[in-house]
Amino acid sequence: GAGVSQTPSNKVTEKGKYVELRCDPISGHTALYWYRQSLGQGPEFLIYFQGTGAADDSGLPNDRFFAVRPEGSVSTLKIQRTERGDSAVYLCASSRTGTGPTDTQYFGPGTRLTVL
Amino acid sequence: AQTVTQSQPEMSVQEAETVTLSCTYDTSESDYYLFWYKQPPSRQMILVIRQEAYKQQNATENRFSVNFQKAAKSFSLKISDSQLGDAAMYFCAYRSPTSGTYKYIFGTGTRLKVLA
Repeated sequence: GAGVSQTPSNKVTEKGKYVELRCDPISGHTALYWYRQSLGQGPEFLIYFQGTGAADDSGLPNDRFFAVRPEGSVSTLKIQRTERGDSAVYLCASSRTGTGPTDTQYFGPGTRLTVL
Repeated sequence: AQTVTQSQPEMSVQEAETVTLSCTYDTSESDYYLFWYKQPPSRQMILVIRQEAYKQQNATENRFSVNFQKAAKSFSLKISDSQLGDAAMYFCAYRSPTSGTYKYIFGTGTRLKVLA
């Protein structure tokens, strides 16, 4: 596609529920990143995919968070047993290769998750 | 670990005037990349300008330029001839070429208001 898209734009859920957030990267981009942006903060890294594999998941806060990218394009971030502290904007970015000095990340508009 | 600091939570500038946004970072690496991203209310992060640490020449993109002081670990953004459309959150970001993941480390952002 022309840009990175994320669905849904907004998601409201109740504490304890399960949610899935979707990211469609730019076509042909092999690298995909998830970030979390809490209110008043800059984005914080969660996980990085190179192709289908999670090359770095060091930013995932705990085992309630999981992400997949089964075919190397679309990715889904999954959050189990949501907590109010999970409320944030979840940003997805993609880049052409994930390596090299000219590789630039392009961001989607994010999904605003609100846990009541 | 690398850190990025933006000490100005909010800045204001008159339309057509010039404003400088500050960013400092801490790293022990000699080679890295620095970025300024703009985030309007739509939430979509837009790349404004990038700088490779091994390049001494300051990057420029039309009305946007940086003052990169490697020894001082400072990377400020100058916006000339400010326009109403420049109003947004601005984030400074650091990327290491050696971490293997090329994740961005963001500062907390500066909200820029442009006054008509």
